[in-house]
This record gives sequence, structure tokens and C-alpha cells, in this order.
Amino acid sequence: NFVLTQPHSVSESPGKTVTISCTRSSGSIADNYVQWYQQRPAGVPTMVIYENNERPSGVPDRFSGSIDSSSNSASLTISGLTTEDEADYYCQSYDNSIPWVFGGGTKLTVL
Amino acid sequence: VQLVESGGDVVQPGRRLRLTCQASGFRITTSPMHWVRQAPGKGLEWVSLILRDGNNRNSADSVKGRFSIVRDIARNTLFLQMNSLRIDDTALYYCARDGAGGSLDLWGQGTLVTVSS
Repeated sequence: NFVLTQPHSVSESPGKTVTISCTRSSGSIADNYVQWYQQRPAGVPTMVIYENNERPSGVPDRFSGSIDSSSNSASLTISGLTTEDEADYYCQSYDNSIPWVFGGGTKLTVL
Repeated sequence: VQLVESGGDVVQPGRRLRLTCQASGFRITTSPMHWVRQAPGKGLEWVSLILRDGNNRNSADSVKGRFSIVRDIARNTLFLQMNSLRIDDTALYYCARDGAGGSLDLWGQGTLVTVSS
């Protein structure tokens, strides 16, 4: 079993760029795809990145994803921040022992 | 294309409840299907999965032996049978469709289960 660890919160100003990390505790981050979900207050989670760095249709290209094997982590980067980006963000991956694992979530504040 | 959950309620510890997820716009046999829950003010927790063949299923350790995921192909509906409910099962329960790369590409709006004496 592995755990995905995210920072509890991050904040940045409108127009700036923010990066949220997601570190895998055991096994390689490259072994299985990582996804990212956005959940606005009182909203339903929606996928913003899948397969490490792919954007679903309708998600602006301000959102990008990557993985880094050296730190065994994945990252979600949001550029040109707006107040609409204020939300909780969750990373998610999987393996054979526990099929689906979510990170604890990161609260993004745009102020 | 949507998922609509129902069946959430307030129940006492030890009781049972069945959640329903009605799919429309696609067939639930074409994708693995999941249940995910979110306790009040907490993060997302994966609960259970049923693969396309309907025979292979898996659940989180926290619900194993108490919850079971089933489906009705004719009604294009997914269920979560929840037995021996505990106070810490209180959560908003979402059903979700498995998409590319193990992603969850379609979510319902959720149904609230409250376990309280």
C-alpha cells in the first residue's frame, strides 16, 4: 500500500502561477498514472488532469501536470490564477493492492 | 451522459442501507465503476470498484466485508449495499465512471448517508 501526500494548503495572487505537489510514499510515481481533480466549495469533483499530463476537453491550458521520478512526486501547475481556481485539489493514483488512492487534498486560495 | 445517485438517509449504527446510481447516456458494462465517499469536511476516499465483466470487484479495507458493489445491467444501474453501518461511514457517497488511465472521468452529484444514534 502507498500513500499520496499533498500540502494542506497553498495560496497565491491572481495572475500568478502555483504548483501543488503529490508525493508517493512507496513504489515509483511512474508505475501508475496520476490524475488531478478540482472540487469547488460545495461542488462535485471534476477531473482536470489525467494520465499524468493530459487535459480533458474543456479544461483550459492554464492547467498542466507532470511527474518527477527523482522526488517520486507528481505536480499540478496552474498559471494565470483567477478566483475561479479557488478550490480543493486532489491527486489520485492506483496500484494492484489498493486499486485507487487519493491524496489528502490541497486547499488553493487565490487572494 | 450522467450519473444520478439516490438512497442516502439517516440510519442508526448497525443498520443497513442500499445506495443506487442510475447511469444514462452510456452503458455501465463499458467501464469499470466506482463508489467514492467524502466525510463532512474531509477528503475523498475510494470505497469500491466493479470491473466491466461484473465478476471482479474490490473494496477498501475500511468497508471490506460490510459493503458490496453490485449492478443491474438491464436497468443500467449500480448499487452499493451497505451493512453493519458505523458512525464513521457518515459521508457523501459518489458513484464515478472509470476513464482513461485509471481516471474517474464522470461523477454523480452524490447522496448523503448519516449514521447516528
